[in-house]
Amino acid sequence: ETGVTQTPRHLVMGMTNKKSLKCEQHLGHNAMYWYKQSAKKPLELMFVYSLEERVENNSVPSRFSPECPNSSHLFLHLHTLQPEDSALYLCASSQDEGQWSADTQYFGPGTRLTVL
Amino acid sequence: LAKTTQPISMDSYEGQEVNITCSHNNIATNDYITWYQQFPSQGPRFIIQGYKTKVTNEVASLFIPADRKSSTLSLPRVSLSDTAVYYCLVGDSRNTGFQKLVFGTGTRLLVSP
Repeated sequence: ETGVTQTPRHLVMGMTNKKSLKCEQHLGHNAMYWYKQSAKKPLELMFVYSLEERVENNSVPSRFSPECPNSSHLFLHLHTLQPEDSALYLCASSQDEGQWSADTQYFGPGTRLTVL
Repeated sequence: LAKTTQPISMDSYEGQEVNITCSHNNIATNDYITWYQQFPSQGPRFIIQGYKTKVTNEVASLFIPADRKSSTLSLPRVSLSDTAVYYCLVGDSRNTGFQKLVFGTGTRLLVSP
């Protein structure tokens, strides 16, 4: 138990569906992250919220939309996904003390997403 | 940009010491090196972090030479439960946004009886 929870743990959706992934951290951290991990590939950082401000990444398709209503919660809204978006989506948090790239990150267990 | 390189896989036996090296030729002066462990269908777990010389905790040691172009994670007396993927992560403070975090491709360690 790392103090970071993710729901649901497994999700199957069609390409026309809209779904959301939820992450909650109980560690009092002020930075949160979404990662994508495809089979046999390294972790791919998708979004970062640091001190409740989003760090942009233009390479993430717009069908993925993050939301960070407060420092403890992070959502990833999904719509019109493609089969190649099937992956393990991981959430993490850290205590940002001015250089979030140096922080120790605490990961949740992930959501296994399958897009049919 | 900082870039990391790790061996794809390593094999070991129970009770042996395992050393996994990560190359990061272009690391910046102020950047740390962090190692994570990941089991199947789980999120990565922090193992150790260092800046220079040697760091040791209850599960591992991290050796960083003076030029900081590489680092070595040392796992003493591995057990079957150490079978996992190990990631080297370098923070790149010279860059903005997502280029600040550079994950390695991971080393798959298999420990056999």
